[in-house]
Amino acid sequence: GENVEQHPSTLSVQEGDSAVIKCTYSDSASNYFPWYKQELGKGPQLIIDIRSNVGEKKDQRIAVTLNKTAKHFSLHITETQPEDSAVYFCAASKTGANSKLTFGKGITLSVRP
Amino acid sequence: DVKVTQSSRYLVKRTGEKVFLECVQDMDHENMFWYRQDPGLGLRLIYFSYDVKMKEKGDIPEGYSVSREKKERFSLILESASTNQTSMYLCASSLDAYHGYTFGSGTRLTVV
Repeated sequence: GENVEQHPSTLSVQEGDSAVIKCTYSDSASNYFPWYKQELGKGPQLIIDIRSNVGEKKDQRIAVTLNKTAKHFSLHITETQPEDSAVYFCAASKTGANSKLTFGKGITLSVRP
Repeated sequence: DVKVTQSSRYLVKRTGEKVFLECVQDMDHENMFWYRQDPGLGLRLIYFSYDVKMKEKGDIPEGYSVSREKKERFSLILESASTNQTSMYLCASSLDAYHGYTFGSGTRLTVV
C-alpha cells in the first residue's frame, strides 16, 4: 500500500521567512495530494491540494508543488506569520470509489515572532 | 457551513467501561472515518465506512468496533476501555478521497 513520509518532524522559522515542508510517497498510482493544517485543540483542516495533472498550485501565501517523477510534493509558505504555527499533515490517494487518504506523521511548524 | 460534529470534546472513562464516540456530518457524504492521534504517531486509521451499514477495518482496529445505521452518523465503540486507548479521536467524512476530508474537532478520551 501507499506510504507517505514527512521530514523533518519539526521546523522553526523566523516571522517573515519562508517555510518549506516536504513529503514523499511510494505508490506511483497516487494522483491526489492534500495538505492539512491542525491548530491546537482543533481537527485538521484542508488548506490546499493538488492533483497529478498539474505541477504547482498557489493560494495567496501558500503553494504546493508536485514532482511525479521523484514522487515528492512540497508545501511552501511565504511571509510566515505567528498564526501559521501549527501541525501540518500531507497525504496521498488515488482515484477510485473506495480509495482513502494515507497521511504523513505531521510536522510541527513554529514561527518565531 | 459544512460540518462534522463530534459529540464530546473531553471524556473520562474507567477501565473496562463500554465507550461510545459519536460523529455526525451534514454534508451527505458517503465516506466516514475514525482516526486516533497520538504524539509522534500521526493519524492512525481505526475504521472507515463507505456506505450505510458497511464498515472496513483500518490499520489499528483491535479493541474497537463501529456502527453506521444512518448515512450521517458514524459511531466508534470501545468494547472494554483500556488505558492504552487514552488518545485524541478524530472523525472525518468525505465525498471521496479525491476531494479531501472534513474533520471534526476531536474527542480527547482519557481512560483511568
